Amino acid sequence: KQEVTQIPAALSVPEGENLVLNCSFTDSAIYNLQWFRQDPGKGLTSLLLIQSSQREQTSGRLNASLDKSSGRSTLYIAASQPGDSATYLCAVDYSSASKIIFGSGTRLSIRP
Amino acid sequence: EAQVTQNPRYLITVTGKKLTVTCSQNMNHEYMSWYRQDPGLGLRQIYYSMNVEVTDKGDVPEGYKVSRKEKRNFPLILESPSPNQTSLYFCASSTGVDTQYFGPGTRLTVL
Repeated sequence: KQEVTQIPAALSVPEGENLVLNCSFTDSAIYNLQWFRQDPGKGLTSLLLIQSSQREQTSGRLNASLDKSSGRSTLYIAASQPGDSATYLCAVDYSSASKIIFGSGTRLSIRP
Repeated sequence: EAQVTQNPRYLITVTGKKLTVTCSQNMNHEYMSWYRQDPGLGLRQIYYSMNVEVTDKGDVPEGYKVSRKEKRNFPLILESPSPNQTSLYFCASSTGVDTQYFGPGTRLTVL
């Protein structure tokens, strides 16, 4: 069964710290992997998309890596800020937008 | 502005009363999907569509119907809603090879 797991479910760190969020998936035959941010009561905002042939993607203070062989992806956030507080979701696409499985998310809180 | 819109944003209804949640995108995307989000269960795919008149079931299709008569619209139909369909619903669209764009969500309560 294809599953996507995000650990920890919640994380609280002081402002300014660098942090890593983890995503693991059971089936490595992925099409791409996407990281999203969700604010309370709001929709999902795409942060980074990594195609299956790529190893990492960067956008500003965010860096996402992909290791298909081990079934893992990480989202690295540098110099965290209170505005980064949100739930971060990992989504694995197994068939070109037809079969997408989400992790349950990591709820991140950045303490001022 | 590129966007996915959903209506209504909030809906309270009663068991058995048919309802439709509309979804529209202005990016000429081929792929569209519906998800539901429940505490502890995350987002689960209900139905998806690869193009006009082409739809298929996701992981939790029971109790839902969809149609794709036009490329921009992908309505979600609940023929006879039940309380276990109380949830937060999201519509999404993409080209199939790139970023998924999500709508703002529809919070549905079935009494």
